[in-house]
Amino acid sequence: DGGITQSPKYLFRKEGQNVTLSCEQNLNHDAMYWYRQDPGQGLRLIYYSQIVNDFQKGDIAEGYSVSREKKESFPLTVTSAQKNPTAFYLCASSIAGEYNEQFFGPGTRLTVL
Amino acid sequence: GQNIDQPTEMTATEGAIVQINCTYQTSGFNGLFWYQQHAGEAPTFLSYNVLDGLEEKGRFSSFLSRSKGYSYLLLKELQMKDSASYLCAVLDSNYQLIWGAGTKLIIKP
Repeated sequence: DGGITQSPKYLFRKEGQNVTLSCEQNLNHDAMYWYRQDPGQGLRLIYYSQIVNDFQKGDIAEGYSVSREKKESFPLTVTSAQKNPTAFYLCASSIAGEYNEQFFGPGTRLTVL
Repeated sequence: GQNIDQPTEMTATEGAIVQINCTYQTSGFNGLFWYQQHAGEAPTFLSYNVLDGLEEKGRFSSFLSRSKGYSYLLLKELQMKDSASYLCAVLDSNYQLIWGAGTKLIIKP
């Protein structure tokens, strides 16, 4: 079955620690995205990548970093520079091109204590 | 700036019909998506409109008027499992998705 996996589902970290969220897809999609979702707000784009070894900042990239070394994988690191990291993080992928239906992973809920 | 407006919350009765509106002001338009998101879960695709008019898919229909910057999602024969948030998203001129905050739909028996 094709899909997107994110792990873990829940993650707890102490303030000041970096943490990496995993995102893997086997849909053969070129484009991948990271969003953050806070209560009562829409999805906000953190980073996106249209092709391997290339990625662009979204609206709220400060305090985050990504890599895209493989087509299937797009890990997100939440650094200690991110002032308010507690949130629900969603990874998505889509085919490249004009029709941009995005398929989402199950999400990771990060809580920084 | 770019803006998408949806009602924050709506309540409807099981078996009834509900219409969720979405208005948008974006830099360009290349289509509008509706997604359903149950609490704590990932959004799932419901519909895509790029031309004016109504698209029907089972109990769900989506309407678009590009001249008015307006769309709605119509849900018929409501079931308890339809309790969820409904997200409107517009594909702008750069083919980036701009998301609304979502409408939380509460279904009562």
